[in-house]
Amino acid sequence: AQSVTQLDSQVPVFEEAPVELRCNYSSSVSVYLFWYVQYPNQGLQLLLKYLSGSTLVKGINGFEAEFNKSQTSFHLRKPSVHISDTAEYFCAVSDSGGGADGLTFGKGTHLIIQP
Amino acid sequence: DTEVTQTPKHLVMGMTNKKSLKCEQHMGHRAMYWYKQKAKKPPELMFVYSYEKLSINESVPSRFSPECPNSSLLNLHLHALQPEDSALYLCASSQDPRSPRGYTFGSGTRLTVV
Repeated sequence: AQSVTQLDSQVPVFEEAPVELRCNYSSSVSVYLFWYVQYPNQGLQLLLKYLSGSTLVKGINGFEAEFNKSQTSFHLRKPSVHISDTAEYFCAVSDSGGGADGLTFGKGTHLIIQP
Repeated sequence: DTEVTQTPKHLVMGMTNKKSLKCEQHMGHRAMYWYKQKAKKPPELMFVYSYEKLSINESVPSRFSPECPNSSLLNLHLHALQPEDSALYLCASSQDPRSPRGYTFGSGTRLTVV
């Protein structure tokens, strides 16, 4: 079974500073990788996904992530954060081997933007 | 329509009640999922329906009973729940269960068991 590790449970960042949220996954032949954001009392919103092709993936709200197969990582980055980016961020993996096995989530990283 | 709609948004129920959560999508997705999310935790997979058939049951207690009446609807029937079942219940769908390339989540039902 796939697994995902988000090393940081909480990341405080000043407004307009850059941020990187780390995600590592267990190695597999091929995987689909996702980043979701969850604002308080809401569901999950897809930020971006890696399925195949270019290792640099651009998403919504100015976020991007880079798939690194040798390091089994899929870190999320934003060059300049805004107060509205305060939320919980989940990295998730799906086995592309077929079958509706759903997503496996990391424990989440709480991004705190400080004015 | 690119949304997954869940109703109700909030539900308070007693331990002897029977209630149902509903999920609906009109994107033609053929896989639908129920997740449970406790506070400050990631979502945990409960059930997967693939082409209206239950394909995964992650050892969920029988007081939770899923139902997929058709390809657009997914229900979760609740009976004799415990206070520890209080959580956010999320529904999701994906286009093709044979190659899940993207998942769309609903905004969830926040359930409180008293």
